[in-house]
Amino acid sequence: EVQLLESGGGLVQPGGSLRLSCEASGFTFRSYAMSWVRQAPGRGLEWVAAISGSGDSAFYADSVTGQFTVSRDNSKNTLYLQMNSLRVDDTARYYCVKHFNSWGDYWGQGTLVTVSS
Amino acid sequence: SYELTQPPSVSVSPGQTATISCSGDKLGGKNACWYRQMPGQSPVLVIYQDTKRPSGIPERFSGSNSGNTATLTIGGTQAMDEADYYCQAWDSGSWAFGGGTKLTVL
Repeated sequence: EVQLLESGGGLVQPGGSLRLSCEASGFTFRSYAMSWVRQAPGRGLEWVAAISGSGDSAFYADSVTGQFTVSRDNSKNTLYLQMNSLRVDDTARYYCVKHFNSWGDYWGQGTLVTVSS
Repeated sequence: SYELTQPPSVSVSPGQTATISCSGDKLGGKNACWYRQMPGQSPVLVIYQDTKRPSGIPERFSGSNSGNTATLTIGGTQAMDEADYYCQAWDSGSWAFGGGTKLTVL
C-alpha cells in the first residue's frame, strides 16, 4: 500500500524558514518523480515543485522560484521542501504527490504551514 | 505558464448527468486528468490520460479531451459525488491545475 506521510509544517513568522519532509513507502521510491502541491485555505490547488526520480532534475512554479528548493534522499525514501523567506501568502496545506507519468496517482494527507506574526 | 479554466460551480439533480469542463490552449494535445476533493480530505485521482479510470473509481465517471476542452462526466450523480473537482495537465515541465469546480447535487 502506497503511503506518503508529510511532516515539518507549523507556525512561522514572515521571513522565516521551514523544511517539509515526506516519507514514502509501498513503492520503489527512486523510480518515480514527486511533486509538492499546496492549497491555501479555501482556495484551489497550486503546483509548487517537482523532482525527478534520480533527483537530477527539479522544476518550480514561478511563484516559488529562488525561494523554495525541492530535494530527495532515495536511501531514506524521503522527499523534502526547503522553504525560505516565507511570506503570509505561503500559508497553505502542502501535499506530497507521487507521479505516474504526467499525473499524480497518490497524495499524502498534507502538512499545514502558517506564516504569521 | 499554462492556464486551465473551469466553471466555479455546477449543479445537478440526483440521478442526472453532471458535466464539468476544463479549457486550455491545445489541451487536446496533452494528457488531462481529474481529481476529486471531498471537504477536509486530500485530492483523489478519478480520471487520467483523458479517459481512463483508476481502480476503485466507479464506471459512471468518464472523461474526454479534444481541441481546447477536456470534460469530466458523472453519470447517475449521487449525493456522495458532491465535492470539488480539479483538472490538471502537464506542460513544459510543470503541472497546471484548473481553478476547481464545486459540484452540488441538489
